[in-house]
Formats: sequence, structure tokens, C-alpha cells
Amino acid sequence: DAKTTQPPSMDCAEGRAANLPCNHSTISGNEYVYWYRQIHSQGPQYIIHGLKNNETNEMASLIITEDRKSSTLILPHATLRDTAVYYCIVRVGPSYGKLTFGQGTILTVHP
Amino acid sequence: DAGITQSPRHKVTETGTPVTLRCHQTENHRYMYWYRQDPGHGLRLIHYSYGVKDTDKGEVSDGYSVSRSKTEDFLLTLESATSSQTSVYFCAISESRDPWGYTFGSGTRLTVV
Repeated sequence: DAKTTQPPSMDCAEGRAANLPCNHSTISGNEYVYWYRQIHSQGPQYIIHGLKNNETNEMASLIITEDRKSSTLILPHATLRDTAVYYCIVRVGPSYGKLTFGQGTILTVHP
Repeated sequence: DAGITQSPRHKVTETGTPVTLRCHQTENHRYMYWYRQDPGHGLRLIHYSYGVKDTDKGEVSDGYSVSRSKTEDFLLTLESATSSQTSVYFCAISESRDPWGYTFGSGTRLTVV
């Protein structure tokens, strides 16, 4: 699996967009980018995934650069409840649960 | 989390005793997983199941066994608990083998003294 690099922490004001970057410069053509988050003391929660096109769902948007070497998760209007650890994962499916959760980015949303 | 329940939520046990953690789902998903989460290690896969009576080892399976006699239940057993197995244990379910759309339980905090 391609290695991912994320900043250890980020801050965001409530109501503003939170843009979380992920670098995956060694990604191969058949690897997807997945994002999960983990709110304190809870199990991880799936957010979104993509291959090369930008994706949007009710939770977030995923922007993948044309060369696919990096991506950005966008929470358009961050709330206090979005404070969590965000994990960027690169993986070829199927995985049989073999997701590699690294250290992620601790996002703190401030009032 | 909706559709997946872990029990117990908290447990303290003594070294050398057997412990069983239960994961119960109401989603009829085929795939179920047990992870442990420790500071500095992220989540690590212990065992997984791809159907009734079909299970396989993950990356940290030593000291753990699992059973799945029904679609809805996936049991994790520590045959003889050790202090190194003090951790938070998460169960997850998924409809497919793809790494998206996993639903995780709320976790079991196990302390072995």
C-alpha cells in the first residue's frame, strides 16, 4: 500500500471550511483513497473514498489532484462535532479488513 | 452505532483468566472484523470473518481466537489474558471486501491486571 503523510494537527473555526491534506506520492493506478475519522472514544467512521475523480457526499468532499499524488478532504461547514482524528488511507480493494490506520490528523474545531 | 453492538463496554480481568468479547450485528453483513487500538499503534487487525464458520488471522492474532457460528455474532476470546492485551477492542462490519463503508462498534475497553 502507498504510504500516506498527514499533518499531525490542524485547527478550524466553527462554520468555516476545514481542508485536510494528505500526501500519497507513491500511489499506484489501482489504489483508492479512503477517509475515515474517529471521534474521541468512538469507533472509526467512514467518510468518503475516491479513485481519481472528485467526490462529494453528505459529509464531505474529496479533491484528488490530477497526478493523484495528494488529496484534500473538505468539511464545508465545520462544527464542534467534527473535532476528531482524520485518517487518510490508500488501499487496493478488496482488503479483508486490512486497513492501515496511521496517526492521522487531529482536527480541532473552535467556537 | 446503529446495527452493531459490542459487549461488554468495559471489563477488568485478572491475568490468566479467559475473556470473551461479543460483537453483534443486525445488518446481515457478511464480513466482520476485530481490531485493537493502542497508543502509538493505531488500529490493528486481530481476526476477521468472511462468513459463518469462515475466519482468518489478522496481523496481531497471537493469543486470540474467534468464532462465528451465526451471521450476526462474532466472538473474540482471549484464552489466557495477559497485561499486554489491555487495550480498546473494536468490532467492524462490512457488506463487501472493499475498504469503504465499514461500520465500527463503540468499542470494549479491556484492562488486564
